[in-house]
Amino acid sequence: DIQMTQSPASLSASLGETVTIECRASEDIYNGLAWYQQKPGKSPQLLIYNANSLHTGVPSRFSGSGSGTQYSLKINSLQSEDVASYFCQQYYNYPTFGGGTKLELK
Amino acid sequence: EVQLVESGGGLVQPGRSMKLSCAASGFTFNNYDMAWVCQAPKKGLEWVATISYDGSSTYYRDSVKGRFTISRDNAKSTLYLQMDSLRSEDTATYYCARQTAFGPYFDYWGQGVMVTVSS
Repeated sequence: DIQMTQSPASLSASLGETVTIECRASEDIYNGLAWYQQKPGKSPQLLIYNANSLHTGVPSRFSGSGSGTQYSLKINSLQSEDVASYFCQQYYNYPTFGGGTKLELK
Repeated sequence: EVQLVESGGGLVQPGRSMKLSCAASGFTFNNYDMAWVCQAPKKGLEWVATISYDGSSTYYRDSVKGRFTISRDNAKSTLYLQMDSLRSEDTATYYCARQTAFGPYFDYWGQGVMVTVSS
């Protein structure tokens, strides 16, 4: 299985700030990477696919980048509704997820 | 509007069986591969199983191979997960998810159903 290591596990940021979440794969996943947002008590929602493509309806303050084994999710101008957990998922092989990042407001 | 509605969860004793269902609507069900993804309490997400659009191919994570069976009824637009020989470590919320046409990532998720394996 391809292991996905996500960091940080938790993050505290202020409104308007830019935050970055990292995900490292145990081998090259050739941009087969998605990011999801999960709000408390809700199901995950797709944000980004193919490492850098924004899913329909997702605000443009979200962006993804990376290649090879290293990927990141950036949230510009943090809003209160962005408080959530974020997960990366590789799909180059059988799907595996990162451990998640819990984002809170400072 | 795409909707995925799971049912069938609850409390079950170790070693027993449970069957989950997921009723789909708002899209052409038989055009899409479908999957189950689980999330243990306060934990991360784990892919469980995937079934192809026509039911001809199935894929499982190693820990459920031989115990879980994914299936579908395209006439009823319904996805199933038969879970046998349940273990305490299977305790989780189980989500039904639609796999995109472009790769095994998931563009729509159900609300989830809780399965608790305990004596």
